[in-house]
Amino acid sequence: GNSVTQMEGPVTLSEEAFLTINCTYTATGYPSLFWYVQYPGEGLQLLLKATKADDKGSNKGFEATYRKETTSFHLEKGSVQVSDSAVYFCAQNVFANAGGTSYGKLTFGQGTILTVHP
Amino acid sequence: DAGVTQSPTHLIKTRGQHVTLRCSPISGHKSVSWYQQVLGQGPQFIFQYYEKEERGRGNFPDRFSARQFPNYSSELNVNALLLGDSALYLCASSLGTPLHFGNGTRLTVT
Repeated sequence: GNSVTQMEGPVTLSEEAFLTINCTYTATGYPSLFWYVQYPGEGLQLLLKATKADDKGSNKGFEATYRKETTSFHLEKGSVQVSDSAVYFCAQNVFANAGGTSYGKLTFGQGTILTVHP
Repeated sequence: DAGVTQSPTHLIKTRGQHVTLRCSPISGHKSVSWYQQVLGQGPQFIFQYYEKEERGRGNFPDRFSARQFPNYSSELNVNALLLGDSALYLCASSLGTPLHFGNGTRLTVT
């Protein structure tokens, strides 16, 4: 089936350290891939996305490259800040069929808690 | 433009009761989806509605139901609440992808 697996957290870093959060997926077909971020007490915010193999999504210093050969979409940032402390979710958009109608739904990983200390 | 708005923000219910959660999508978005996020886990897909019709349903019991109104707002209803229904319920709207999420309704069942 379709699934997303993230590296287990929590991840604790010092400010200005390099960040990598691993994400791999299994899918039938070619999904779009996303990273969402969730700050305490809030909903999910789209951080970046990639829709096809070798696409690189980037936003606010974060990057992730869609690697079809390794079915991965690892999140990286060269220098984290205290304000980056949040929960990060990797997700894929899966299209399904019900009664002859297709629809898209996101399948999420379990989330990785990131804490950045000054 | 306003984002996705959900109400109420917090709710406490007793086992066996019924609850209705509400969602207003971003203006112009015709698709609304509902997700359940249990503490410490990623969100799980419950429903998707498009143009007032249910397009997809996740692996949730029939106690969960939803509808979408002509103005594209949506309600999620849960009957006969169980302790395990305690979660953050997220609504998302879209024109396709990506999904835009609201801040959610925190439901606590005691």
